[in-house]
Parts: sequence; C-alpha cells; structure tokens
Amino acid sequence: AQSVSQHNHHVILSEAASLELGCNYSYGGTVNLFWYVQYPGQHLQLLLKYFSGDPLVKGIKGFEAEFIKSKFSFNLRKPSVQWSDTAEYFCAVNRKAAGNKLTFGGGTRVLVKP
Amino acid sequence: EAGVAQSPRYKIIEKRQSVAFWCNPISGHATLYWYQQILGQGPKLLIQFQNNGVVDDSQLPKDRFSAERLKGVDSTLKIQPAKLEDSAVYLCASSWSQMTDTQYFGPGTRLTVL
Repeated sequence: AQSVSQHNHHVILSEAASLELGCNYSYGGTVNLFWYVQYPGQHLQLLLKYFSGDPLVKGIKGFEAEFIKSKFSFNLRKPSVQWSDTAEYFCAVNRKAAGNKLTFGGGTRVLVKP
Repeated sequence: EAGVAQSPRYKIIEKRQSVAFWCNPISGHATLYWYQQILGQGPKLLIQFQNNGVVDDSQLPKDRFSAERLKGVDSTLKIQPAKLEDSAVYLCASSWSQMTDTQYFGPGTRLTVL
C-alpha cells in the first residue's frame, strides 16, 4: 500500500531561520505531490503542488519544494520563516493511475518563535 | 467564490449514539471527498463521490459508516452507532473532477465520542 512519511513531527525555530521539512513516499509509479498547510483555527489549504515538469516548485508565501524522483522525496523549504508560518504542514501524494485519491503524511507541527 | 461548507463544526455524543455531518462543496465541483483525521495523524480518505456516484469507499467502515450524495451536490456522512475510536475531525473536500485536480477542504467537524 502507498504510504507517505514525514520525518519530523515537531519543529521549533526562530524567525528568519531556514525551514526544511522532509517528505518521502513509497509508491514507485508516477505520482502527483502536494503540500498542504493548516494555520491555527483554519482549514487545510494548498501551499504548492507538483504534477510534471520542473522538479523545483514554487508555492505561496515564499515556500518551495523539490521533487527528487530517485529518492522518492518532495521536501518543503523556506529560506526565512516568519512567526505567521506557525502551522501544521502535510505532505500528500496521489497516483496518476488512481485518480485523485490523496494519501497524507502524518504532518509536521512548526512553531516559529518571534 | 464560496468555499466548502460543513456543519456542525463541533459535536459531542455518547458511544452507541448516531451522528450525521453535512457538506456543501464549492459550486460546480463534481467530486466530493470525506476524510477522517484522528488527532496527531494526517487525513485519511473515507469515501469519494463523482457527482452522485461512489468512486471509492474502500476505507469506509461500512458496518457503521454511511454516506450519500443523492443529487450530486451536498453530501451527508453518518455514523451509527458511534464508537470511542470515531473521535476525530471529519473533513469534506471537493474538486472540479476526479482526475488529478486540486482538492479544496472545508473547516471540518470535530466529533468527540464519550
């Protein structure tokens, strides 16, 4: 069965620090990849997605992610975080052959200290 | 554009009682999804509808959970009878189609079973 792993459950960092969140998936076929974010008290919203083409994807709020097919990874990065980036981040994958069924990772809670 | 609407936002029931959740997707979205998110985990897909037909309900515990989308617009998810382990946030999402497409999430219903 397909699975998605997020290596860090909790991350604490200070404003202006760089952020990198790991995501690995187990499926070997062609996939689409997503990062969703849930800010405190808000619903899940899409940060960025990768379907094909340039493996470096830029999303909203200065986030980017890099798809490395050989490593089955889709890590999320932001060079300089702000207090407002405090949120829970979810990596998700769907298999192109299986329609739009998303499999989510367990999430990473990020706390940015002012 | 109005987002995905869900109600109620919170529900507390005792085990063996019944409960129902309602979802209204974004206007024009043909595909609707119900997810279960247990505390500390990522969302898990329960059922996917395309218009008023079920595309995938392989992870729906059919002995106690049921869902319908009779007119291909709004949807209801029911649990009867509820168990303690059903305590979770129930998320509804929608997308334009069941092909690779961004899913938009509602605010969720937080269910507590005592």
